[in-house]
Amino acid sequence: GQNIDQPTEMTATEGAIVQINCTYQTSGFNGLFWYQQHAGEAPTFLSYNVLDGLEEKGRFSSFLSRSKGYSYLLLKELQMKDSASYLCAVKDSNYQLIWGAGTKLIIKP
Amino acid sequence: GAGVSQSPSNKVTEKGKDVELRCDPISGHTALYWYRQSLGQGLEFLIYFQGNSAPDKSGLPSDRFSAERTGGSVSTLTIQRTQQEDSAVYLCASSLFGDGGSYEQYFGPGTRLTVT
Repeated sequence: GQNIDQPTEMTATEGAIVQINCTYQTSGFNGLFWYQQHAGEAPTFLSYNVLDGLEEKGRFSSFLSRSKGYSYLLLKELQMKDSASYLCAVKDSNYQLIWGAGTKLIIKP
Repeated sequence: GAGVSQSPSNKVTEKGKDVELRCDPISGHTALYWYRQSLGQGLEFLIYFQGNSAPDKSGLPSDRFSAERTGGSVSTLTIQRTQQEDSAVYLCASSLFGDGGSYEQYFGPGTRLTVT
């Protein structure tokens, strides 16, 4: 079967750095997405990785290792507004997006 | 430009009634997706439309659920004989293409369905 694993919840301090991990087992691989979802709102796109390595976009970076079936989202200089759920999703061989259950990130002052 | 819109934003219905949820995707987007999200849970895939191809209905939970997409644009998700377990937020998303590439999905604000 297809599976995406992420931690259910993480807590971090304002100004700090946090890494949210995602491991996957899917039928084929056509890219990995990270989305941010604030409570009561729709998910919004953060990043896309299809090749191994690190993609940096401002305070957010995303890393992919296809051989390990592993990705992480790195958030730097955390702000209170970063409190949200972070969803990992993988496009399988049929280009269907397989979604993880999301990681709820709590930022404390 | 305009994003994905959904209506109604909230719907309360009695058990056993039928409901229709509407999605207007971003103009020019060929792919359209419906998801369901229960409180505190991840996204549950329901159905996917790509251009004029037959839709991927593999995620529909029962035959009470159906969806159509008219003219390759607006989509309607219909739930017949609603049950309390159908209560959830129903999210619609569209992307430029469904196959290949880094085409991210753009989500609408969702319809919160409550079955009493």
